[in-house]
Amino acid sequence: GENVEQHPSTLSVQEGDSAVIKCTYSDSASNYFPWYKQELGKRPQLIIDIRSNVGEKKDQRIAVTLNKTAKHFSLHITETQPEDSAVYFCAADNAGKSTFGDGTTLTVKP
Amino acid sequence: DVKVTQSSRYLVKRTGEKVFLECVQDMDHENMFWYRQDPGLGLRLIYFSYDVKMKEKGDIPEGYSVSREKKERFSLILESASTNQTSMYLCASRPTKGQTEAFFGQGTRLTVV
Repeated sequence: GENVEQHPSTLSVQEGDSAVIKCTYSDSASNYFPWYKQELGKRPQLIIDIRSNVGEKKDQRIAVTLNKTAKHFSLHITETQPEDSAVYFCAADNAGKSTFGDGTTLTVKP
Repeated sequence: DVKVTQSSRYLVKRTGEKVFLECVQDMDHENMFWYRQDPGLGLRLIYFSYDVKMKEKGDIPEGYSVSREKKERFSLILESASTNQTSMYLCASRPTKGQTEAFFGQGTRLTVV
């Protein structure tokens, strides 16, 4: 089955700095890669996603890149703000079944 | 807005009890999922369903079963609760099989004593 590794497990940045979270996957059949943000005590919510026929996608301060050959994808957050503090999960999806990474706890210090 | 609702936010059950966790979605989604969330372990898939009466095992199905009698409702059953099933349980739904986001419920924090 699919295996997704996510790094780092914790990340602390100063407000205004950039944050990068990296994930690798094992199954070359995976074709959809969503990223979810989970604030404390709340449900995970999609923040950005990318499909396997696209190399990069950007939405304001958030961007995701995908390297299919190397089987890795990354989340980039620029100009971080305290409200970006949360747990972030990457996932690799094949035929509607998502395998999640273990999560990254991002702390943005004001 | 898609709404996925889990019947309980917090549950405390005794070892050996049969436990039912209920999940209802209001957007006519085909696909529903049950995950277990533990610190440092991410979200692990227990069971999923692509249609009414259909179910498939996820990565950690042992000790669990599911029921999907109606399209909008997906139930997770702990046949005989054990302390190692103490966890946060998250239900999710998706409109189709492929390349669409999952909508999560608010979670049920289950404690087995």
